[in-house]
Amino acid sequence: EAGVTQSPTHLIKTRGQQATLRCSPISGHTSVYWYQQALGLGLQFLLWYDEGEERNRGNFPPRFSGRQFPNYSSELNVNALELEDSALYLCASSLVINMGANTEAFFGQGTRLTVV
Amino acid sequence: AQSVTQLGSHVSVSEGALVLLRCNYSSSVPPYLFWYVQYPNQGLQLLLKYTSAATLVKGINGFEAEFKKSETSFHLTKPSAHMSDAAEYFCAVSDRGADGLTFGKGTHLIIQP
Repeated sequence: EAGVTQSPTHLIKTRGQQATLRCSPISGHTSVYWYQQALGLGLQFLLWYDEGEERNRGNFPPRFSGRQFPNYSSELNVNALELEDSALYLCASSLVINMGANTEAFFGQGTRLTVV
Repeated sequence: AQSVTQLGSHVSVSEGALVLLRCNYSSSVPPYLFWYVQYPNQGLQLLLKYTSAATLVKGINGFEAEFKKSETSFHLTKPSAHMSDAAEYFCAVSDRGADGLTFGKGTHLIIQP
């Protein structure tokens, strides 16, 4: 069974540009979560999608946005890139709407975004 | 609101020694608790989870954790460290609400030969 897949694995952008990151959840999973892992800041919750709807977002500016498609794959967009956006972006998927019930979150390998 | 505190950003133990990684949480409701491991340049893998059943939870790779409500702790232990255990370990909490998983800042486990 295929796990959570993220693309691209590495992305280099210039300050001010836009970045698009993609995530395909495990087959049958309806919830997709995005996390930012920046050096020294740990894992920060970004966004949560379920059944095509944004359910919650973390404490990030509006230039971080995304969407979930009918096949439950998801896209994270970061506009007007800043140097501080350089980080590993992790996507996770789960079966149930409330991550943490009798299930678990499965993580992808991440996309390493570097803003220069 | 929920939060997680992991004591010690780096922990170093000798191969064969006891591993103890500390995690304290805060949650307004009975939480679900998780430990994840991250190997270099990889995503996170679930080690174990507590979902209000047994307070002592056994996970993969010989790890276990004990939920102590009175201490609001969920420390991760392994009796005998192996070189392959060197990785970043994250404790996480979910209050079953709309906040997803809240992670601690992680503990880097170093195994000395």
